[in-house]
Amino acid sequence: GENVEQHPSTLSVQEGDSAVIKCTYSDSASNYFPWYKQELGKRPQLIIDIRSNVGEKKDQRIAVTLNKTAKHFSLHITETQPEDSAVYFCASSSLNDMRFGAGTRLTVKP
Amino acid sequence: GAVVSQHPSRVICKSGTSVKIECRSLDFQATTMFWYRQFPKQSLMLMATSNEGSKATYEQGVEKDKFLINHASLTLSTLTVTSAHPEDSSFYICSARGRVRGYTFGSGTRLTVV
Repeated sequence: GENVEQHPSTLSVQEGDSAVIKCTYSDSASNYFPWYKQELGKRPQLIIDIRSNVGEKKDQRIAVTLNKTAKHFSLHITETQPEDSAVYFCASSSLNDMRFGAGTRLTVKP
Repeated sequence: GAVVSQHPSRVICKSGTSVKIECRSLDFQATTMFWYRQFPKQSLMLMATSNEGSKATYEQGVEKDKFLINHASLTLSTLTVTSAHPEDSSFYICSARGRVRGYTFGSGTRLTVV
């Protein structure tokens, strides 16, 4: 199947700083790009998503950008808080599937 | 909002037995169901995709005779792990997609094979 690459695998920031997680995809048919936050042993929680006809979307402290030409999309979290600490997954979806990146463990230090 | 009920949440079974996991969409019609497996500290790996009324499409390396998927109705899909072995122990989770675009995850099933 098509791959989704996600970087970095771990990210540690100070409270109040920004965090950026980047993903690339290979399936040209992908047109929906959600980001999930997952607590251990629980279902992924959708935090923001973007569709291929949009370049950027923002929701309070969270923003996502999409460069469809380069097949890159990124998650930006500003003014990070300790409760933002979690594992974040990007995903790339087409009509027939949704595939996940390997995940980023974000730690926000108080 | 859309809800997918997944059962059981946890199951322990003996090697060689079979386990059935159910996902039900409670308030929408799930035209497509995705089944994932997640090992500890790893990502969700797509196992198979099923559309209502048709055979599932399995990812490379996933044995279709071992992981039986049924999607007989628009509200129910099942994954049966047959002849389970300890290496099948994992977190299994479904994700349903309805006619109106969007994905809803089940709560997951923690399978332990002893």
